[in-house]
Amino acid sequence: LAKTTQPISMDSYEGQEVNITCSHNNIATNDYITWYQQFPSQGPRFIIQGYKTKVTNEVASLFIPADRKSSTLSLPRVSLSDTAVYYCLVGGTGGFKTIFGAGTRLFVKA
Amino acid sequence: DVKVTQSSRYLVKRTGEKVFLECVQDMDHENMFWYRQDPGLGLRLIYFSYDVKMKEKGDIPEGYSVSREKKERFSLILESASTNQTSMYLCASSLASSGANVLTFGAGSRLTVL
Repeated sequence: LAKTTQPISMDSYEGQEVNITCSHNNIATNDYITWYQQFPSQGPRFIIQGYKTKVTNEVASLFIPADRKSSTLSLPRVSLSDTAVYYCLVGGTGGFKTIFGAGTRLFVKA
Repeated sequence: DVKVTQSSRYLVKRTGEKVFLECVQDMDHENMFWYRQDPGLGLRLIYFSYDVKMKEKGDIPEGYSVSREKKERFSLILESASTNQTSMYLCASSLASSGANVLTFGAGSRLTVL
């Protein structure tokens, strides 16, 4: 299982774009990259998933370089409600033995 | 719109009691998981199940057992609760054929063992 490394915490201001980078040097050929968001006292919530290049949905964008050894979650124009912990995971089909790292605690200030 | 339901949000039990944590999903997912989450330790996988009556140990199965008699229900059992099992317990489910790691989580059950 590929281990991931993320910054422990980040601060931002409302309206800014936030980029959280995750390193996964040992990613396997069939591994996908998935990001979750977790608010206090709630379960993590799926945000976005990708395999290569760029993926965009209504919430975020995910940038994956050609070597796939890292990925960047981009949150456009964050608001106070985006204050949460963001987890980067890599893994194969089915989600077995899904390993969560410590995540990145994002704090958005007014 | 709730898809993964955990029966209790907060429980308080005494040392030595038997504790059942129930989880039900309505998405017809094959895979179900139990995690515990502790400050500074993140989410740790206790058990998972990929089919009815099938179970596999995760990273920290000691002191826990699970039951999956029906596809939609996955129960976590603490045979004799101890204070070090005070934690937030999270249930999740996923499709067998999902791309990878697309888990849907419940809201969590916060267990306090006195």
